[in-house]
Amino acid sequence: DQQVKQNSPSLSVQEGRISILNCDYTNSMFDYFLWYKKYPAEGPTFLISISSIKDKNEDGRFTVFLNKSAKHLSLHIVPSQPGDSAVYFCAARGSNYKLTFGKGTLLTVNP
Amino acid sequence: GAGVSQSPSNKVTEKGKDVELRCDPISGHTALYWYRQSLGQGLEFLIYFQGNSAPDKSGLPSDRFSAERTGGSVSTLTIQRTQQEDSAVYLCASSFPGTRAYEQYFGPGTRLTVT
Repeated sequence: DQQVKQNSPSLSVQEGRISILNCDYTNSMFDYFLWYKKYPAEGPTFLISISSIKDKNEDGRFTVFLNKSAKHLSLHIVPSQPGDSAVYFCAARGSNYKLTFGKGTLLTVNP
Repeated sequence: GAGVSQSPSNKVTEKGKDVELRCDPISGHTALYWYRQSLGQGLEFLIYFQGNSAPDKSGLPSDRFSAERTGGSVSTLTIQRTQQEDSAVYLCASSFPGTRAYEQYFGPGTRLTVT
């Protein structure tokens, strides 16, 4: 059973526009949610996180929104830049400290 | 560099052989994790080390997989009698202790191909 789901395998947006990446989860015991960004042949890099007691966290062009009742989170990138093109993984931390990852969404930002 | 390092970056092995993958975590990080990413899949948790506590091995897919962490630093993941389904990118991550322990820093991974 997949506890963290990213239902869109890919997303394409124009430079300067907003990118919205979505993630759904099933386990209500997750206490932290994170987004990682991955370029080819590199390991994932931490981007932004949110505690389960918050509903929004913002860091520069990146904002993560959490809707606990819907078990849904999203990552907004505004404005999108070509260098943002990468695979984005949603992850959730359970009580045993291990992260459960989604399958990722490939974001392509077109110049 | 100050990041997580892994070696080798690529490993091709024949079915049935044993392989060892190495991870050097960031200095000062007490937690170390191993994941693998198979083609088209997300990252799958394998094992977690925290300080001197017993490791969480709940993600290891079979008894052919084992890992150790020597001196609280370097870790080795060993796969015995490799099978073709073991082909994947194996990623190591480490994290600080305390309140930011959820932020994991990943190495570049080892791409394992079993022929």
